[in-house]
Amino acid sequence: AQTVTQSQPEMSVQEAETVTLSCTYDTSESNYYLFWYKQPPSRQMILVIRQEAYKQQNATENRFSVNFQKAAKSFSLKISDSQLGDTAMYFCAFKIYGGSQGNLIFGKGTKLSVKP
Amino acid sequence: DSGVTQTPKHLITATGQRVTLRCSPRSGDLSVYWYQQSLDQGLQFLIQYYNGEERAKGNILERFSAQQFPDLHSELNLSSLELGDSALYFCASSAQGALLDTEAFFGQGTRLTVV
Repeated sequence: AQTVTQSQPEMSVQEAETVTLSCTYDTSESNYYLFWYKQPPSRQMILVIRQEAYKQQNATENRFSVNFQKAAKSFSLKISDSQLGDTAMYFCAFKIYGGSQGNLIFGKGTKLSVKP
Repeated sequence: DSGVTQTPKHLITATGQRVTLRCSPRSGDLSVYWYQQSLDQGLQFLIQYYNGEERAKGNILERFSAQQFPDLHSELNLSSLELGDSALYFCASSAQGALLDTEAFFGQGTRLTVV
C-alpha cells in the first residue's frame, strides 16, 4: 500500500521570502506521479505542480518548484517570492501510473500562512 | 472553475438520516472519484466510477453507496448518518480514469454537517 507523509502540520513565511514544504512517500511501485495541491479558504482543490517519477528533471511552474529525490522517496515543494495569496493548505499526493485505478493518495496537509 | 459541479454546497441533517450528494463531471470526462475530507482523517478516497461501472473502492463505509448514471453524473448516497460523517465531500473527474490521465479536476465540495 502507498502512504504519503507530510511532517509539517503548519508553517509560516514572510511575504516575498522562500519556503519549502516537505513530503515523503512509501511505495513499491516504480512508475507513478506525484502532485502538490493547494486548498485555499475557498476549499477548492487546485493543482499546483506535477512530477512524473520517470523524469529526472524537477518540475517547475513559475514560482513553484519541486525537489524530487526518487531514491529517498522525497518530494518537497519550494515556493519562491511568497505572496499573500499563497496562504492555503498544501497537500502532497501520489498516483500510480498505468494501473486500472486512478485515485490519489493524499498526505494530511501543511497549513501555510504568508505574513505581510 | 474546474468544470466539475457539486450540489448542494452545504447540507445540514440529523443523525440517522439519509442524504444524496450529486456530481457532474467535466464535459467528456468518463471517470468520477469521491473523496471525504475530515479534520482527523485528511483526504480519503472513497470510490471511483468509470463510464458507469465501479472501478475502485477505498475507505468507503457500507452505509455509503454511489453510482454513475448514463449521462456520467454521479451520486453519493450516505445513510444512517452519524456525527462522525460530518465532513467535506469532494468529487473529482478525469478523462480516462487511470492509464492516460495525469490529472483529476476537483469540484468545490459539499460540506455535510450531521447534528
